[in-house]
Amino acid sequence: GAVVSQHPSRVICKSGTSVKIECRSLDFQATTMFWYRQFPKQSLMLMATSNEGSKATYEQGVEKDKFLINHASLTLSTLTVTSAHPEDSSFYICSAPTSGGITGELFFGEGSRLTVL
Amino acid sequence: AQKVTQAQTEISVVEKEDVTLDCVYETRDTTYYLFWYKQPPSGELVFLIRRNSFDEQNEISGRYSWNFQKSTSSFNFTITASQVVDSAVYFCALSEAGSNYKLTFGKGTLLTVNP
Repeated sequence: GAVVSQHPSRVICKSGTSVKIECRSLDFQATTMFWYRQFPKQSLMLMATSNEGSKATYEQGVEKDKFLINHASLTLSTLTVTSAHPEDSSFYICSAPTSGGITGELFFGEGSRLTVL
Repeated sequence: AQKVTQAQTEISVVEKEDVTLDCVYETRDTTYYLFWYKQPPSGELVFLIRRNSFDEQNEISGRYSWNFQKSTSSFNFTITASQVVDSAVYFCALSEAGSNYKLTFGKGTLLTVNP
């Protein structure tokens, strides 16, 4: 079946550095992907909608200059956390629908756990 | 705006007990989708079920069953004869039609099944 893969699954970085997380749809094309963030023991909150070939749509309160999203191909979206700080430490997870409408399916990546020291 | 409420933050049961996880949702759309996911400590989301708003039939899958009641805007999840491996956080989520499955999650319920 369809699979969405995220990389890396875990990353530790120093404060002030930038970290890139990849989300790939392995056997289907995804014009849209979603990025969520989950702080410890909390729910998943939508950060942004990644649109292939156009700018991402960010949710209220999410800094677009800090969380750069690029969806340059139909199978890859990247989330770059720029100038990361300890408060950015979180679990980041992406999802991708196979198509719109009632026949489409939704798949989540395995998630990426970011720790900023 | 849409909203999903999981009022039970934590539930603890003894193995073999039945347990029901509650989910109440709010949406103005007449067409929407409801989901349940399991999140074990490793973090990945395990898909359990998707139900569209036109299908109010209850569903059973092994020890799992779901009760969808549009009249009360609820989509409750029951685990029968719970097992230790069922211990996880369970999320209920809502997606409105035309959103490409952009999900609004509830806060989740931590289920602990003790031996």
